Amino acid sequence: DVKVTQSSRYLVKRTGEKVFLECVQDMDHENMFWYRQDPGLGLRLIYFSYDVKMKEKGDIPEGYSVSREKKERFSLILESASTNQTSMYLCASSYGARGSGQPQHFGDGTRLSIL
Amino acid sequence: AQSVAQPEDQVNVAEGNPLTVKCTYSVSGNPYLFWYVQYPNRGLQFLLKYITGDNLVKGSYGFEAEFNKSQTSFHLKKPSALVSDSALYFCAVRDYLVPTGFQKLVFGTGTRLLVSP
Repeated sequence: DVKVTQSSRYLVKRTGEKVFLECVQDMDHENMFWYRQDPGLGLRLIYFSYDVKMKEKGDIPEGYSVSREKKERFSLILESASTNQTSMYLCASSYGARGSGQPQHFGDGTRLSIL
Repeated sequence: AQSVAQPEDQVNVAEGNPLTVKCTYSVSGNPYLFWYVQYPNRGLQFLLKYITGDNLVKGSYGFEAEFNKSQTSFHLKKPSALVSDSALYFCAVRDYLVPTGFQKLVFGTGTRLLVSP
């Protein structure tokens, strides 16, 4: 089974802090994704990566950046956290070229609160 | 852009009864459609997908989905609901980023299924 591991289940940070969310997958997948999940809005794509050191903006990239230095690890960075970034963050991975249309495998999420 | 809509925020059904969770899609070209389930405090789990072929797709945990091109729908079904099926269900469609052509999934807003004993 594919395992996608997010480093923290719950995180509390303060406004203005730089926040790192880490995600690791163990199936050698090419593609990795970061979403945020908010009630009534479903999942919205923040960034994704289709290869090491490559990244693409999703639908809501503002206020976020990402890093993929190794194939198995994809980090989401909140450069200067704000209260409107309080949310559930989900990481996912999939195999196949160019993002692929293959099923994505999700981690259990990080519930981030910005005070 | 491709999109999906889940018209019901919540569906209530009694255990043992059949269940349907609705999804309609809007795409140009042939749709790739997916259903995912999310249990409390967990990530999403893949249930099934439609790419081409039979309009009835079978998936995990006894779920199936019916693709209907004329009605642009992809409803999730199960003949006999279990209390343990209570969860949040998401429909999704494959989309493409312009101009790169990279593929991504676009999710609906989710439907909460509540199965009562």
